[in-house]
Amino acid sequence: AQSVTQLDSHVSVSEGTPVLLRCNYSSSYSPSLFWYVQHPNKGLQLLLKYTSAATLVKGINGFEAEFKKSETSFHLTKPSAHMSDAAEYFCVVRRNQGGKLIFGQGTELSVKP
Amino acid sequence: NAGVTQTPKFRILKIGQSMTLQCAQDMNHNYMYWYRQDPGMGLKLIYYSVGAGITDKGEVPNGYNVSRSTTEDFPLRLELAAPSQTSVYFCASSEGAGYTFGSGTRLTVV
Repeated sequence: AQSVTQLDSHVSVSEGTPVLLRCNYSSSYSPSLFWYVQHPNKGLQLLLKYTSAATLVKGINGFEAEFKKSETSFHLTKPSAHMSDAAEYFCVVRRNQGGKLIFGQGTELSVKP
Repeated sequence: NAGVTQTPKFRILKIGQSMTLQCAQDMNHNYMYWYRQDPGMGLKLIYYSVGAGITDKGEVPNGYNVSRSTTEDFPLRLELAAPSQTSVYFCASSEGAGYTFGSGTRLTVV
């Protein structure tokens, strides 16, 4: 069975400081992994995805994530937080093409001025 | 292209009423999904479809029904609305590695 665990329900950073949102996954197969962002009362926007190519994946808005098979992790990072980054972030795993997405419970990111 | 279109955006239902949430995609994707998102939670899969005429249950199918008579449309039916079905509903479609989500339907059952 596949699952994904987001290790922090809430992360608070100051504007201009680094962001780290942690995600561990469990999968018997080579997974596809995604990070989605959801701003308040909005839909889901894809930040980045890993599909067994390069282990360091660059996404939109300066975010990136590194797939580490040995640690079963896919943490999301950004060097410098912006106020507009405040949102809910979801780590997501999918087993195969067209397969179902399994969502983590989300991490709320707050950015202080 | 419109992508994935959901209607309505908002709805208030009384307990026991029924309604259909509409979802349409114009990308010719075979795979379509319905998810619900409860406050402070991730999305949970209700039903999915791998092509016209084929549907299957997800994690939380109770109280819902779906049909897939065409590739484009994947409506979600609530027959007897209950307060536990108050949620935000997202429809999605996919082909290959790409997933596209609709903007959601916020449903309140009172």
